[in-house]
Amino acid sequence: GESVGLHLPTLSVQEGDNSIINCAYSNSASDYFIWYKQESGKGPQFIIDIRSNMDKRQGQRVTVLLNKTVKHLSLQIAATQPGDSAVYFCAETWRGGGNKLTFGTGTQLKVEL
Amino acid sequence: KAGVTQTPRYLIKTRGQQVTLSCSPISGHRSVSWYQQTPGQGLQFLFEYFSETQRNKGNFPGRFSGRQFSNSRSEMNVSTLELGDSALYLCASSLVGLAGLQETQYFGPGTRLLVL
Repeated sequence: GESVGLHLPTLSVQEGDNSIINCAYSNSASDYFIWYKQESGKGPQFIIDIRSNMDKRQGQRVTVLLNKTVKHLSLQIAATQPGDSAVYFCAETWRGGGNKLTFGTGTQLKVEL
Repeated sequence: KAGVTQTPRYLIKTRGQQVTLSCSPISGHRSVSWYQQTPGQGLQFLFEYFSETQRNKGNFPGRFSGRQFSNSRSEMNVSTLELGDSALYLCASSLVGLAGLQETQYFGPGTRLLVL
């Protein structure tokens, strides 16, 4: 039968603006979270990670926020650039799950000039 | 330090055939995981290998198998290919944390498999 593609939410931002990409997770036992960026034709590229004993972690132009109460994760990108255009995935795992990552469906970020 | 490498990058097979994909992890990484990415199902975990042993397995049929060698390089095999096996197959490697602590997984570029 015909396969139906996952509907990727799209976030369009102007160059120079800040971007916020959200992710909800379902496993309350998850304690390690990673954000990946995937450009067309490439594998996912690590951006930033956070463990459950933290609420916030900052990298270069990126910040990840974790709200365990509502099982929500967000990625903030400051001063968004055209090179930031890609699909962004959140992934989660838990100590008992080893390296088995569970991925979200992804968000398409489009940066408009 | 070189990243994760995967070979071949592209592959075309016909239904019923089998295929073997190869992955070389980042130097020093001993855990290798495989994922399947399709437009319909997204990114799904296949299995993880550490010290030549399968440590975790996802919900895929037995046609999907893998192995790891003593140098941490890994291969995955898909037998009796079906049209639905067309996908991007991604390999990721990581260090192994103490007491089960997770370490960051770094992905290769993937092998694009098309089954006709």
